[in-house]
Amino acid sequence: ETGVTQSPTHLIKTRGQQVTLRCSSQSGHNTVSWYQQALGQGPQFIFQYYREEENGRGNFPPRFSGLQFPNYSSELNVNALELDDSALYLCASSYGTGWGMDTQYFGPGTRLTVL
Amino acid sequence: RKEVEQDPGPFNVPEGATVAFNCTYSNSASQSFFWYRQDCRKEPKLLMSVYSSGNEDGRFTAQLNRASQYISLLIRDSKLSDSATYLCVVSVSGNTPLVFGKGTRLSVIA
Repeated sequence: ETGVTQSPTHLIKTRGQQVTLRCSSQSGHNTVSWYQQALGQGPQFIFQYYREEENGRGNFPPRFSGLQFPNYSSELNVNALELDDSALYLCASSYGTGWGMDTQYFGPGTRLTVL
Repeated sequence: RKEVEQDPGPFNVPEGATVAFNCTYSNSASQSFFWYRQDCRKEPKLLMSVYSSGNEDGRFTAQLNRASQYISLLIRDSKLSDSATYLCVVSVSGNTPLVFGKGTRLSVIA
């Protein structure tokens, strides 16, 4: 096990609602990256937080936002949910900026279904 | 052209077979290369990094061809437990994230 935990494991929401997903990073890691994995696709980078600040963002609209706390845990918030937001949301923790130079360890993911 | 492209699969092979997965990447500035394994409904797990000189880990061999922007993974003596989706992953050093391919599903059959 990686030591990265995510909650909840599953979630069902309806269109237009808001959702908050949580991630606790592995001990000693200060960087959390969030990815969205739609069915049959590889994970796509949403954004990364390093020492409580956003450190890069993928091609996702502003209704996807995040936070990182002093203990390096992180939240992903999605507003105005759309059907296409249904996916597995993965967080990965690493030490340093994690830009491919540090191994990223993934949590088990949160499976979000939007009806 | 997608940044990372993989064989579509699925690959259905008998136990003991040798199977090879291929992957191409579009960004010639890419510096880091990985293969991740993802079991059904689970998170991706790092299988191995891919180095310029090629590298081996037991039954698994990874190769990189920078000139052709091509990465491969060879699995020898396939086991039932190798059944999973294999994700090719690339990143550019500096402020860029991991870029995943769609993955190739492998089923090893008894």
